[in-house]
Amino acid sequence: NAGVMQNPRHLVRRRGQEARLRCSPMKGHSHVYWYRQLPEEGLKFMVYLQKENIIDESGMPKERFSAEFPKEGPSILRIQQVVRGDSAAYFCASSPPGVASYEQYFGPGTRLTVT
Amino acid sequence: GESVGLHLPTLSVQEGDNSIINCAYSNSASDYFIWYKQESGKGPQFIIDIRSNMDKRQGQRVTVLLNKTVKHLSLQIAATQPGDSAVYFCAENIGGYQKVTFGTGTKLQVIP
Repeated sequence: NAGVMQNPRHLVRRRGQEARLRCSPMKGHSHVYWYRQLPEEGLKFMVYLQKENIIDESGMPKERFSAEFPKEGPSILRIQQVVRGDSAAYFCASSPPGVASYEQYFGPGTRLTVT
Repeated sequence: GESVGLHLPTLSVQEGDNSIINCAYSNSASDYFIWYKQESGKGPQFIIDIRSNMDKRQGQRVTVLLNKTVKHLSLQIAATQPGDSAVYFCAENIGGYQKVTFGTGTKLQVIP
């Protein structure tokens, strides 16, 4: 069973461009979470999605950021008109269905650099 | 606001010794706690968890202790090995909701 997959692993964008980060959850997992991590800091929750639904986006900036988890295909975190402050590692995690399961499995992350 | 935090940002331990990493939390409603290990360049890896109705849980070489009275959580690693060098995060979950809040992290350095 493959783990959580994220691509690309490294992404370089110029200011003003768009960044698309992809996350494929573990097989059988229907919950996806996105986190952002700045160097030497902890992970900050951004958004929690289930298939075709955004459950909690309280950690996501209102402007320029969006996330989706379609019925088919990976979850996408999209950052429009990137700025230098968006440079960070973005981690995706997934968990199996059911409220009783809190354990989240993390992907290797996408390191976004905005030049 | 309420948050999860750590007492020590960096911990250096001799190989073979035991390590203790501490974490303070402030939300008394938290009912589930997790420790994650993050190696350089990788995503966090689940180590061990504990529910608020327990005060101790043991895994392989690791033990988590929960003191709800003082809102304190600790991770004990027995016979620390070089492969244990990483940043360790405590995290909390509140009320059956799957959103997890992470603490700042403690960097564990194992001295050979």
